[in-house]
Amino acid sequence: DAGVTQSPTHLIKTRGQQVTLRCSPKSGHDTVSWYQQALGQGPQFIFQYYEEEERQRGNFPDRFSGHQFPNYSSELNVNALLLGDSALYLCASTGDRKLSYEQYFGPGTRLTVT
Amino acid sequence: QKEVEQNSGPLSVPEGAIASLNCTYSDRVSQSFFWYRQYSGKSPELIMSIYSNGDKEDGRFTAQLNKASQYVSLLIRDSQPSDSATYLCAVNIQNRGSTLGRLYFGRGTQLTVWP
Repeated sequence: DAGVTQSPTHLIKTRGQQVTLRCSPKSGHDTVSWYQQALGQGPQFIFQYYEEEERQRGNFPDRFSGHQFPNYSSELNVNALLLGDSALYLCASTGDRKLSYEQYFGPGTRLTVT
Repeated sequence: QKEVEQNSGPLSVPEGAIASLNCTYSDRVSQSFFWYRQYSGKSPELIMSIYSNGDKEDGRFTAQLNKASQYVSLLIRDSQPSDSATYLCAVNIQNRGSTLGRLYFGRGTQLTVWP
């Protein structure tokens, strides 16, 4: 049973550049959420995709955008990178939108902005 | 503002002891509660879910939920050095009229189990 996968594992970018991160959900899951985790903090919700549409969004600027494909995989795009965007970016998937709503995380992408 | 607060760490216990991790949340409509374990440099791993008041046991882990007090805890019995990690409390809140929820996380409590 394949778990959540993310690519790339690590990424180094320069301020002002753009980056695209990718995620494939766990088999059988159709809802993908993206989180940003700064050092020493808990994950912060960026947005969530279901049926190829952004369904919910956290307190992140429009520089953060995403997409979900028909096979449920997803991309996170960040434009005009800032030093403060350096963080671990986590993708989580779920297939249960009822009471339990258990979410499973991928290994993450470590983004460093210099 | 929906907040999830965890007891400040770090928490250090000897091998074989019980580790107690606590979490409070501010939103009364919260329905689902989770504990994640995160090893240094790794992603969070779901270890416990609890939805009803009371205790839920899974091996050495026991989650406790008290919705009236807006309190959820995690007990780790017979702690092992391999339990040393950061433990994240997460609360699922569903928007009104939507079947989709989202997770709110605490900052985590760092646990060290020494031999």
